[in-house]
Amino acid sequence: NAGVTQTPKFQVLKTGQSMTLQCAQDMNHNSMYWYRQDPGMGLRLIYYSASEGTTDKGEVPNGYNVSRLNKREFSLRLESAAPSQTSVYFCASDPSYQETQYFGPGTRLLVL
Amino acid sequence: GEDVEQSLFLSVREGDSSVINCTYTDSSSTYLYWYKQEPGAGLQLLTYIFSNMDMKQDQRLTVLLNKKDKHLSLRIADTQTGDSAIYFCAESIGGGFKTIFGAGTRLFVKA
Repeated sequence: NAGVTQTPKFQVLKTGQSMTLQCAQDMNHNSMYWYRQDPGMGLRLIYYSASEGTTDKGEVPNGYNVSRLNKREFSLRLESAAPSQTSVYFCASDPSYQETQYFGPGTRLLVL
Repeated sequence: GEDVEQSLFLSVREGDSSVINCTYTDSSSTYLYWYKQEPGAGLQLLTYIFSNMDMKQDQRLTVLLNKKDKHLSLRIADTQTGDSAIYFCAESIGGGFKTIFGAGTRLFVKA
């Protein structure tokens, strides 16, 4: 099992560019999450998907969109990147109802 | 509102015990977690405790929960240099898909 995988690992964007962060899990988990991690702050939830076919906003959804493509994959899209979106992005999954979340290795994004 | 607070840094000598503290505000927490993050990696679950428990022990790790004071602690016995990392406290809020994370405590272990 690879667990939770994320691509890319690093990305540099210019302001206004768009990109999609990919996440996949092979643990047959129902729920998937996108967080961002900023220095001196805990993880903040951007969006989550409780189950295939559903998505909901988290604490900081502005400037992002998500797609739960199937049970395995949950992507995060930045339509028009801003410097404030410079962060480390983590994808996570859990079997259901937040018993234990499993995290991917993260995507480090720099927006210039 | 919901908030999880923890001190930002802790330094200990190798072989000593480390105690990382956390306070939370939401009394409806169902689970409380400790995650470990090593440099350049994602978070890894270390241990968790149900909100109706007071203590949980797992090898070198001891978790203490004081629900009255909304205080959670993680004790690492015989701390090793490999324990150097950032430790995140988190609480799961009942009734929804929501986990609140603290800002993390960076543990330095001196040889």
